[in-house]
Amino acid sequence: DAGVIQSPRHEVTEMGQEVTLRCKPISGHDYLFWYRQTMMRGLELLIYFNNNVPIDDSGMPEDRFSAKMPNASFSTLKIQPSEPRDSAVYFCASSTTGSSEQYFGPGTRLTVT
Amino acid sequence: GENVEQHPSTLSVQEGDSAVIKCTYSDSASNYFPWYKQELGKRPQLIIDIRSNVGEKKDQRIAVTLNKTAKHFSLHITETQPEDSAVYFCAASMNSGGYQKVTFGTGTKLQVIP
Repeated sequence: DAGVIQSPRHEVTEMGQEVTLRCKPISGHDYLFWYRQTMMRGLELLIYFNNNVPIDDSGMPEDRFSAKMPNASFSTLKIQPSEPRDSAVYFCASSTTGSSEQYFGPGTRLTVT
Repeated sequence: GENVEQHPSTLSVQEGDSAVIKCTYSDSASNYFPWYKQELGKRPQLIIDIRSNVGEKKDQRIAVTLNKTAKHFSLHITETQPEDSAVYFCAASMNSGGYQKVTFGTGTKLQVIP
């Protein structure tokens, strides 16, 4: 397996634009997590899914952020409209029930100017 | 909800010395404690973990200890090498409503000086 795949790896956009980050979890994994990493706040859990269903979105900072998982092999994190303070590295991770180890993707470095 | 505190935030040691990173957690329901290593510009990766029914676990130069009563756990790296330089995250995991929920600490940046 290729591991967790994220795209794009880098995204530079202007304030006010819509940003969509994509994630493909490891095949067979039933948990998917979205994290945001900044120097100030470290690694923050934004939302996680189990079997494509959002379980806990209490970490989503505000209504500008939304996440979907239409099927077991694909998830998106959307920011609309984007702001400079959204600049961060966004990681997607997946795991299986009973394992607890999370496998992280390579991350998307988002810069909002 | 669970709260995980991690100390120190930065740590510099001479090559060959030991490094210790400490974490505390708040919820006694947490039963799984993984440690992740993140090298510069790369993704976090699991390096060692411990479950609540075990007090200590060792894997070559790294070891983790868990004190359930005090709700704290630690990562010990012996004979440090430059390639140990990275950010280390502790985490506490529990079963919440039938789902496994993980809370990460804020990370420790370890620098091993050759």
